[in-house]
This record gives sequence, C-alpha cells and structure tokens, in this order.
Amino acid sequence: EVQLVESGGVVVQPGGSLRLSCAASGFTFDDYTMHWVRQAPGKGLEWVSLISWDGGSTYYADSVKGRFTISRDNSKNSLYLQMNSLRTEDTALYYCAKEVELLAGMDVWGQGTTVTVSS
Amino acid sequence: DIQLTQSPSFLSASVGDRVTITCRASQGISSYLAWYQQKPGKAPKLLIYAASTLQSGVPSRFSGSGSGTEFTLTISSLQPEDFATYYCQQLNSYPRTFGPGTKVDIK
Repeated sequence: EVQLVESGGVVVQPGGSLRLSCAASGFTFDDYTMHWVRQAPGKGLEWVSLISWDGGSTYYADSVKGRFTISRDNSKNSLYLQMNSLRTEDTALYYCAKEVELLAGMDVWGQGTTVTVSS
Repeated sequence: DIQLTQSPSFLSASVGDRVTITCRASQGISSYLAWYQQKPGKAPKLLIYAASTLQSGVPSRFSGSGSGTEFTLTISSLQPEDFATYYCQQLNSYPRTFGPGTKVDIK
C-alpha cells in the first residue's frame, strides 16, 4: 500500500524550532518529487515547499523562506521539514505529499501532523 | 507570484445537478493546473491534473478544461459523496499556489 506518515508535530513557543518527518512506503521514494503543504485551522491549503527526487532542487513559499528547510534521505525513504523561528501564523496541519509526475500535482498525501505555535 | 481566484466561493446544489467551478490565474500558466477535493478532517484528493487529465480512480463525472488563465472543473451529475471543498493549484511556477477553495454544499 502506498503510504505517507507524518510525525513530529507538537506545541512550540514562538521563536522555537521543530523538525517534521514523513515516512514513505509502498512506492519507489527516490523516483518522486515531494512536497509539504499546510492548512491553518479552518483555512485553505497553503503550499510550503518542494524537493526534487535527488534533493538537488528545493523551493519554498515566501512565507517560510529563510526559516524552513526541506530535505530528504532516500536511503530511509524519509522526507523532513526543519522549521526555525516559528511564528504563531505557522500554526497548521502539515501534510507531506508525493507528486504524481513532474508538474502534475500531488496524488498521495499523508494524514498530517499538527504544529501549534503558542506561548 | 501567481495568484489564483476561484468562483464561486460557496455553492449550494442538489444531487444530480451539473456543477461548474472556475479558477482564474493572474498570469498565464499554460495547462499546469490541478484540481483537488477535500472533505472535512481528510487530506486533499487529486482529481484532475494538467488541466484536463483525470487522475486514476476518479469517477468520469469529474472533468476539467481550460488553459492560459481560465480553467473549469465540472461535475456532470453531483453525487452525495461530492459535497466537499474544491481547490485548484497552479504548477507553472514557484510558489505553487492554491486557490482559496470552493465549498459545495447540499441544497
């Protein structure tokens, strides 16, 4: 079964740091571009970041650029999001997602992990 | 950054209705557009990519069209399981922005 499972979401104070993980199974992980997408409570979807199959290319939303770092370990079938200088507006459910093919959207999503930034 | 707008924001419809949702981009994105369905408490589900390509396993009552700056998602005959929020996403450039969503509710 193709599956993505996120972990690492917790309550953290503003200015704090956090690392999210996403474990992939059921597909050849290193064949695919991977994404992080977030959804604040009661709000719409916000694309956060992308990493190419080999980790050689990364892109970020303006709202997280310079604070978040996406990475992957293909030997562990894992995707990561290092989140620094967290702000209250980063509070959201964070999904990892697999791109179906280049420039074609995300066909496999995890269940999400919740990050709450609050003092 | 490319901005996406969706209309309507909210749509009330009955089972069996034909429903059309529009997504407009602030600049041309060729056919690099995807549509997703999201139900409460669930992750989004990919319906359409490349503007008009139906994702595997998605019912044929869903269809997409358009290119450039204007795109549509059509549900030919609304079913009870289709009541959800629908999002478009552009994949032409970074950041890969989503539209604000269209909630389809039961009339």
